[in-house]
Amino acid sequence: AQSVTQLGSHVSVSEGALVLLRCNYSSSVPPYLFWYVQYPNQGLQLLLKYTTGATLVKGINGFEAEFKKSETSFHLTKPSAHMSDAAEYFCAVSDRKNNRLAFGKGNQVVVIP
Amino acid sequence: EAGVAQSPRYKIIEKRQSVAFWCNPISGHATLYWYQQILGQGPKLLIQFQNNGVVDDSQLPKDRFSAERLKGVDSTLKIQPAKLEDSAVYLCASSLYMGTDYGYTFGSGTRLTVV
Repeated sequence: AQSVTQLGSHVSVSEGALVLLRCNYSSSVPPYLFWYVQYPNQGLQLLLKYTTGATLVKGINGFEAEFKKSETSFHLTKPSAHMSDAAEYFCAVSDRKNNRLAFGKGNQVVVIP
Repeated sequence: EAGVAQSPRYKIIEKRQSVAFWCNPISGHATLYWYQQILGQGPKLLIQFQNNGVVDDSQLPKDRFSAERLKGVDSTLKIQPAKLEDSAVYLCASSLYMGTDYGYTFGSGTRLTVV
C-alpha cells in the first residue's frame, strides 16, 4: 500500500522567501505523485503531478517539485513566497492501476509580511 | 467544463440523526471517489466507483455509511446514524477512468458537523 509522510504541520515563511515543503512516499510500485493546495472552505486544487519522464515538474502559481527515486521524495518548492500562497498543501501518491490517492497530513503554510 | 458539484455545502445535525450528501461528477468521468477529511488530517478514501459498480469500499464503515451511484453518474453518500467522530468535510472527486495519469478533479466538499 502507498503512503505519504509530510513533516511539520505548520510552516511559516516570510514573504519573498523560499517555500520548501517536504514529502516522502512509500510505494511498492512506481508511483504517480501529486501536490494539491486547499484554500479555506474550498476543495483540493491540483498544483502539479509527476507521472513519467522529466523528474522536475512545474506547476501553477510558480511551484515546482522534483521526483527523487533514490530518496523516495517529492519536495515542493517556490522561490519567492507570496501572501496568496497561504493555504494548506497536501502531497499524495497514487497507484497506477486504480488511481486511488493516499494523502499526507498536510502542511498549513502561513506567509508573514 | 463544469466542475464536480456537491451539495449541501454545510450541514449540522445531532448525533444519531441521518444525513445524505450528493455529488455530480464531471460529465463523462467514469470513476468517482468519496473522501473523508477530518480537521487537521489529509483526505481518506471511503469508496471508489467505476461507472455504477463499487471498486473499493474497504475503508467505508458499512455499519453506518452507505453510498450508491445510480446510472453511473450522480452519487449519494449517507450516514445513519451519525456519530460525533463523523464531523468532517466529505469530498467527492471524479476522474476520466482508472489507470490514467489524468488525475482527479475535486468538488468543494460538504462540511458536516455532528453535535
